[in-house]
Amino acid sequence: GAGVSQSPSNKVTEKGKDVELRCDPISGHTALYWYRQSLGQGLEFLIYFQGNSAPDKSGLPSDRFSAERTGGSVSTLTIQRTQQEDSAVYLCASSPGLAREQYFGPGTRLTVT
Amino acid sequence: AQKVTQAQTEISVVEKEDVTLDCVYETRDTTYYLFWYKQPPSGELVFLIRRNSFDEQNEISGRYSWNFQKSTSSFNFTITASQVVDSAVYFCALNRDDKIIFGKGTRLHILP
Repeated sequence: GAGVSQSPSNKVTEKGKDVELRCDPISGHTALYWYRQSLGQGLEFLIYFQGNSAPDKSGLPSDRFSAERTGGSVSTLTIQRTQQEDSAVYLCASSPGLAREQYFGPGTRLTVT
Repeated sequence: AQKVTQAQTEISVVEKEDVTLDCVYETRDTTYYLFWYKQPPSGELVFLIRRNSFDEQNEISGRYSWNFQKSTSSFNFTITASQVVDSAVYFCALNRDDKIIFGKGTRLHILP
């Protein structure tokens, strides 16, 4: 079956602009995660959705970051007023449930100029 | 507090050598899960293994094996007869319910 897909694969934006990153999880997966990975670094947890529960936003670095998940499926991560330090690869993962393995998408490489 | 430490930042071995990647974790929970993921140069993370805290049996899958020892809070990963295709960054992770903590990863270079 289809894996996790993310779009766009690459995004170059000017400082101060807003960007939207999209994630299509594996069908039937109830959990969806967003991570950020800076060049050569580990994974930084951003936000987590599980079913219809309120998302865990504890990892969002500032109020410029927000995310939503519509209909328990597709998710959008929005970064407002982008800054150069936002440049990174943004990874999305979905999982069949709590404490289960995660399946990652290919990521969106964001470059803020 | 929960924490995952991968002390080896980078390892280089010659092809066909065995290599072990270390993972040490900290948690006060009695029920938790441990994972290993591989991130090849292409960038997409791939799930390798999931182990719950009540199952200390070692696992072998082809050239890969995992040694889980609760007494030392370690979940080490060994690649036997390494191949160039094993070159990647490997992440160990600890998960309880909805909280997941990744280690910083070990970059493995397999030299031909």
